Amino acid sequence: AQKVTQAQTEISVVEKEDVTLDCVYETRDTTYYLFWYKQPPSGELVFLIRRNSFDEQNEISGRYSWNFQKSTSSFNFTITASQVVDSAVYFCALSEAIFSGKSTFGDGTTLTVKP
Amino acid sequence: DTEVTQTPKHLVMGMTNKKSLKCEQHMGHRAMYWYKQKAKKPPELMFVYSYEKLSINESVPSRFSPECPNSSLLNLHLHALQPEDSALYLCASSQEGRLDPGGQYFGPGTRLTVT
Repeated sequence: AQKVTQAQTEISVVEKEDVTLDCVYETRDTTYYLFWYKQPPSGELVFLIRRNSFDEQNEISGRYSWNFQKSTSSFNFTITASQVVDSAVYFCALSEAIFSGKSTFGDGTTLTVKP
Repeated sequence: DTEVTQTPKHLVMGMTNKKSLKCEQHMGHRAMYWYKQKAKKPPELMFVYSYEKLSINESVPSRFSPECPNSSLLNLHLHALQPEDSALYLCASSQEGRLDPGGQYFGPGTRLTVT
């Protein structure tokens, strides 16, 4: 069975601070995919990144960066110089490599960025 | 066009009503999904269509009836709902790669209230 744990339920930072959202996963598969989604107060889930289990290179996209460490089963997400618009619920998710349609979502981390 | 649209945005219905939620995407994705999301919880998968065929039904009550008329459209027919069915209903789509599941693109959701 697959499991995703986002231990941080809520995080509050002040604008321009860096913040890291943790994601730890469990799976018996050797090949799998990891995802991050953002859900702002408006409600729409926004796909941020997909990473397969064979690609452990860190990725950077503007102020966002992701650190995938297979050895610790973690896929952490860092926002540099946070902004008020980053306030949202962030979900980490895991899916099998072979398409099944199912993704296992973590419970989400609510990030509040204060001005 | 990387947008998934959903109508209506809000819906209030009585327990004896029949209504339908609609979802549309034009990204050429061949997998489409219905999720139910309660406040402060991750989305729960309800149904998955792959190449217009129902591939997953997560033991959803029969008062929810999905339909996929073509590769771009997905409907969710509602009948005799209960107050506990009140939630945000999210539609999503993704590329259905057998060995390479894509990230899911979500619509803005329909906020359903059952009275």
